[in-house]
Amino acid sequence: DADVTQTPRNRITKTGKRIMLECSQTKGHDRMYWYRQDPGLGLRLIYYSFDVKDINKGEISDGYSVSRQAQAKFSLSLESAIPNQTALYFCATSSGPVGANVLTFGAGSRLTVL
Amino acid sequence: AQKITQTQPGMFVQEKEAVTLDCTYDTSDPSYGLFWYKQPSSGEMIFLIYQGSYDQQNATEGRYSLNFQKARKSANLVISASQLGDSAMYFCAMRERDGYALNFGKGTSLLVTP
Repeated sequence: DADVTQTPRNRITKTGKRIMLECSQTKGHDRMYWYRQDPGLGLRLIYYSFDVKDINKGEISDGYSVSRQAQAKFSLSLESAIPNQTALYFCATSSGPVGANVLTFGAGSRLTVL
Repeated sequence: AQKITQTQPGMFVQEKEAVTLDCTYDTSDPSYGLFWYKQPSSGEMIFLIYQGSYDQQNATEGRYSLNFQKARKSANLVISASQLGDSAMYFCAMRERDGYALNFGKGTSLLVTP
């Protein structure tokens, strides 16, 4: 099993629908992140969490919300999906000192909003 | 403002040749970290190499090396003896002081030809 598991892997939905992307990890890492990837734009940070009680907005948090249900679970919600939220979404985890804070990524969730 | 700049949208290299992927960064923090990730066509993000701002030596990991020029604020990735499996998107990323999240560049697409 993968260390960082994202579900669903692919989702097609309609404008206005509520969508939840889920992320779970078995690495025991305390820090978790949600990124979004658009072609030509690289990866942009949506939200990140240092532990269950610590949630922080990233560069592009508008239109998104998150929930850290447990140390191992970090969910991303789109309350009312819109077409420009069509993207590849990555969950990532990390731990240890801030120095070489290597992020371990999930396989990604491809979301299409029609 | 873009903190990580990758000026080469696409690069070609012949198998067994070396290739340099450019990355420049912008920060006023004295403590930061630089990372390179590989994203093959399958979509996963694979960590390649890390360089800390205080590291005296350039980082190396197998065929990957990071050409760190602090005064120029550049952190180029050098891949020696390219292989067909090196064809992928490559992302440069930076962590700034006290921050755990990474800021990513827009990526460079590398194609290795026979």
